[in-house]
Amino acid sequence: AQSVTQPDIHITVSEGASLELRCNYSYGATPYLFWYVQSPGQGLQLLLKYFSGDTLVQGIKGFEAEFKRSQSSFNLRKPSVHWSDAAEYFCAVGEDSNYQLIWGAGTKLIIKP
Amino acid sequence: EAGVTQFPSHSVIEKGQTVTLRCDPISGHDNLYWYRRVMGKEIKFLLHFVKESKQDESGMPNNRFLAERTGGTYSTLKVQPAELEDSGVYFCASSQYRGLGSTEAFFGQGTRLTVV
Repeated sequence: AQSVTQPDIHITVSEGASLELRCNYSYGATPYLFWYVQSPGQGLQLLLKYFSGDTLVQGIKGFEAEFKRSQSSFNLRKPSVHWSDAAEYFCAVGEDSNYQLIWGAGTKLIIKP
Repeated sequence: EAGVTQFPSHSVIEKGQTVTLRCDPISGHDNLYWYRRVMGKEIKFLLHFVKESKQDESGMPNNRFLAERTGGTYSTLKVQPAELEDSGVYFCASSQYRGLGSTEAFFGQGTRLTVV
């Protein structure tokens, strides 16, 4: 069955520290991979996406993600987090035909001052 | 340009009542999607409109849910009668085209529905 796993429900990091959020997927076809962020009171915002090509993808707000086919992973990273990065992060996977995405359960990022 | 707008932002209703959620997509976006996130779980696809037509409603949980998209503009999602398990956050998204590689879907802020 197709699925997306975000193993960490919550992650707490200190401001200025590096961040890695994990995402593993199970998907039959070549996946389209996404990371979205939801800040308090806001809608879901696209951080970055991977379709093909370079497996290291740059996104907005200084985030990047690396697609590793052998590990079925698409982990999100940021070298130095800011207090404004506190939010919930969602990994999602789909195929080209439409936005009927399969989502992970989300990871809440808490920033310590 | 206005983004995707959802009304209301919060709704608390009693079990057995009816609630109607509304989504106004970005102007010119033919594709409209509804998703739901039950508390603490993953976001799940409900259905997809192309203009006024339901393209895929395979994610609708049961016949208590009715979605419409009048004239291919705004969409409504009615829950009648509401049950406790319907509580969650309902998201709407719109995109100009269908393909993931050729377009981006923009999401509303969601409607938090609480059934008591």
